[in-house]
Amino acid sequence: DGGITQSPKYLFRKEGQNVTLSCEQNLNHDAMYWYRQDPGQGLRLIYYSQIVNDFQKGDIAEGYSVSREKKESFPLTVTSAQKNPTAFYLCASSSQGKTRNTIYFGEGSWLTVV
Amino acid sequence: AQSVTQPDIHITVSEGASLELRCNYSYGATPYLFWYVQSPGQGLQLLLKYFSGDTLVQGIKGFEAEFKRSQSSFNLRKPSVHWSDAAEYFCAVGTNNAGNMLTFGGGTRLMVKP
Repeated sequence: DGGITQSPKYLFRKEGQNVTLSCEQNLNHDAMYWYRQDPGQGLRLIYYSQIVNDFQKGDIAEGYSVSREKKESFPLTVTSAQKNPTAFYLCASSSQGKTRNTIYFGEGSWLTVV
Repeated sequence: AQSVTQPDIHITVSEGASLELRCNYSYGATPYLFWYVQSPGQGLQLLLKYFSGDTLVQGIKGFEAEFKRSQSSFNLRKPSVHWSDAAEYFCAVGTNNAGNMLTFGGGTRLMVKP
């Protein structure tokens, strides 16, 4: 089935450690995104990538890093510089036409930092 | 700057009753509009979208939404709610021509009484 796969679903890390969340899509989408969701709140954009080997900061990029070496993959690293990393992280993808693109989401990853 | 407001944080309806979830947006141009649904601990699923044309759009699971430019609204409706509709609902506006830069509302949590 076509879709977006995020792993792991649940991740626990000690404070000060970097952690990488995986996101893979087989929808042949050019664009990929990472969002953060805190309880009871909407989604905020962390990073996005419109093409391989290129990515841009979203609204809350501080303390995060990404790479886009393959079209299918867009891993997110939560670094020790992120002050409040415990959250639900959502990866998404879309086509990259000039108009009328729709964003589709993965199932999310829960990160808890203790 | 663009914004999306979902005035109702929580809504409770009885099973079989009708439902309307409100969404108001602020955006200078003609927007692309989306409704997503999120079950607890899961990713977001697209319910419906509006790009142009007929202002009443049909989605999955029996949902529909109406774009009213004069009121800057895109309210989601369902004539008869099922217990499985209990979830969180997010309205989003696409703020670029491609439609893939989304601003989300804070969400409305729907509870369904038996």
